[in-house]
Amino acid sequence: EVQLVQSGAEVKKPGESLKISCKGSGYSFTSYWIGWVRQMSGKGLEWMGIIYPGDSDTRYSPSFQGQVTISADKSISTAYLQWSSLKASDTAMYYCARLTGGNSPYYFDNWGQGTLVTVSS
Amino acid sequence: EIVLTQSPGTLSLSPGERATLSCRASQSVSSSYLAWYQQKPGQAPRLLIYGASSRATGIPDRFSGSGSGTDFTLTISRLEPEDFAVFYCQHFGGSLTFGGGTKLEIK
Repeated sequence: EVQLVQSGAEVKKPGESLKISCKGSGYSFTSYWIGWVRQMSGKGLEWMGIIYPGDSDTRYSPSFQGQVTISADKSISTAYLQWSSLKASDTAMYYCARLTGGNSPYYFDNWGQGTLVTVSS
Repeated sequence: EIVLTQSPGTLSLSPGERATLSCRASQSVSSSYLAWYQQKPGQAPRLLIYGASSRATGIPDRFSGSGSGTDFTLTISRLEPEDFAVFYCQHFGGSLTFGGGTKLEIK
């Protein structure tokens, strides 16, 4: 069974750094792109970026380029999303999801449970 | 960048009725790269449809997708109580984008 398990909820202050994780199991972690999706409270889904753990090829949404860093450690089947300096506007639920679709992957077939990040002074 | 516009924003229907949700792209897209998701409160999104019309594993056949070019539709033939949720369309063509969502609520 494919599973993506995310790290737990975080409460941080503005200016602090943060790294959240997404551990994959039940499939070849290095063979599928992993994406990150933001959902602010009561709002829709926003794609942040994707990473291919096999070679760490990473693509960012223009809206999030330079705002976050996506990485992966294939030795432990884990993808990461990190901030160097959080803002209150980063408060949201963050989901990781597996991108699939054969030779041209384009949809998310499995999702993590989400990590709630709260940034408040 | 392709923009996906979903309509209506909110759809109020009763169990047993037919639901028709629309997703319009700002320019023609390949139907091969169009997907639909369902999200219930407090849950992660769930894949319903990929390739515009193929149902994901375990999705009941009352859910169907259609369309091409710029206009795509998700249809739920007979609404069950558990179907009420928010639905998103999504496309990936160089960049990945989600529609703004349609909330399907019980009338």
